[in-house]
Order: sequence, then C-alpha cells, then structure tokens
Amino acid sequence: GDSVTQMEGPVTLSEEAFLTINCTYTATGYPSLFWYVQYPGEGLQLLLKATKADDKGSNKGFEATYRKETTSFHLEKGSVQVSDSAVYFCALSQLNAGGTSYGKLTFGQGTILTVHP
Amino acid sequence: DTEVTQTPKHLVMGMTNKKSLKCEQHMGHRAMYWYKQKAKKPPELMFVYSYEKLSINESVPSRFSPECPNSSLLNLHLHALQPEDSALYLCASSQEGRGVAEKLFFGSGTQLSVL
Repeated sequence: GDSVTQMEGPVTLSEEAFLTINCTYTATGYPSLFWYVQYPGEGLQLLLKATKADDKGSNKGFEATYRKETTSFHLEKGSVQVSDSAVYFCALSQLNAGGTSYGKLTFGQGTILTVHP
Repeated sequence: DTEVTQTPKHLVMGMTNKKSLKCEQHMGHRAMYWYKQKAKKPPELMFVYSYEKLSINESVPSRFSPECPNSSLLNLHLHALQPEDSALYLCASSQEGRGVAEKLFFGSGTQLSVL
C-alpha cells in the first residue's frame, strides 16, 4: 500500500535559520503530494501541493518539489519565523479507478517544528 | 466563506452516553470527511461522503455512525464509546476532483474525552 515517511522530529531552530523537512513516499501510479500544517489547537491547513513530477509547490516562503526519481517531496524555507512553529505533515493522495479523488490522504507521522527568537 | 465549522469544540462523555458531533461548510463542496487524530499522530480517515452518500467506511466500529443530512452538513453520532476513542475528531470537505486530487479544508476539530 501507499506510505509516507517523514524525518523524525522534533526540529528546533533559531529564527531566520534554514529549514528542511524530509519526506519520501511509496506509491503506485502518480499520486498528488501535499504539505499540511497544524498549529496548536487547530485543524490542518494546506500549505502547498504538487500534482505531477517536477512541479514545485510554494506558499508563504515554503517550497517543495515533486521528485519522482527519488520519490521525495522535501519541504524547505530559507528563513523561519517564530510563527512557523507547528506540526508539519507530508501526505499523498491517489485518484480512484474512476479518475476522481475522494480525498483519501495518506499522511506521514508529522514533524514538530519549534522556532525560538 | 472558506471555513469548515465544527461543534462542539470540546466534549466529555461517559461510556453509556449518546452524543453527536456536527460539521458545516458553505463552500459548495460535495465531498465531506471524518478523520480521527490521536495525540502526536497523523489523522486517520474514518468516513467519506460524496454527494451525500457514504462512499468510504474505513472499517470503523459501529459505535460511530455518520450522517449527511444535506450537502452542507455532516454529523457523527456516538454511542457506547470506549476510553480509547478519546481523540481529536476532524471534519473536512473538498471539491470532488476530476483528474486531480483536490485539497481538503479542515475544521478545527472536536476534542473528545470518553470517561
């Protein structure tokens, strides 16, 4: 079955440091890939997505590139802020046999990011 | 309006109680979902509704009973729960993607404690 593996956390950084959170996946076919973020006490929010190989998703300074050859979708940000402290989930979604998506996300385990001033 | 609203935010119930969780969205999304999230774990899919019909049941115990009264509302009826069912219950919605996986919009969740 499909699976997503994220780097172990927690990750602790100082403000303005460079961030990388590694994500690799195993899947049949051509999944779409996502990064979701969960702030304390809240639900998940989509951070960025990519739907095909070599696509780059970007939002709020975060970037991730869909690498089919390495089955990876690593999240990067050049300069983190205290407000980026949250849990980050890498996820994939497959289309069903009918070519539609039922939003069945397969999540990685999540990476806790703490940014200190 | 790009929100998914869940009520209540917190719920404490005994193992013999019956309660319901509610979810509402007004984005015109025709797919709605229930996820369960234990502390420090990723969400796990429970149910998917597409066009008000149950499409996916991820082998969830019958003490959880979903209901989709109309395209904007999704309920989760709870009965005879166990302490291990304590978790954050997240509702989500999306367009039903054609040829591409659509992003999900999540509510803030209901934190459920079963005593």
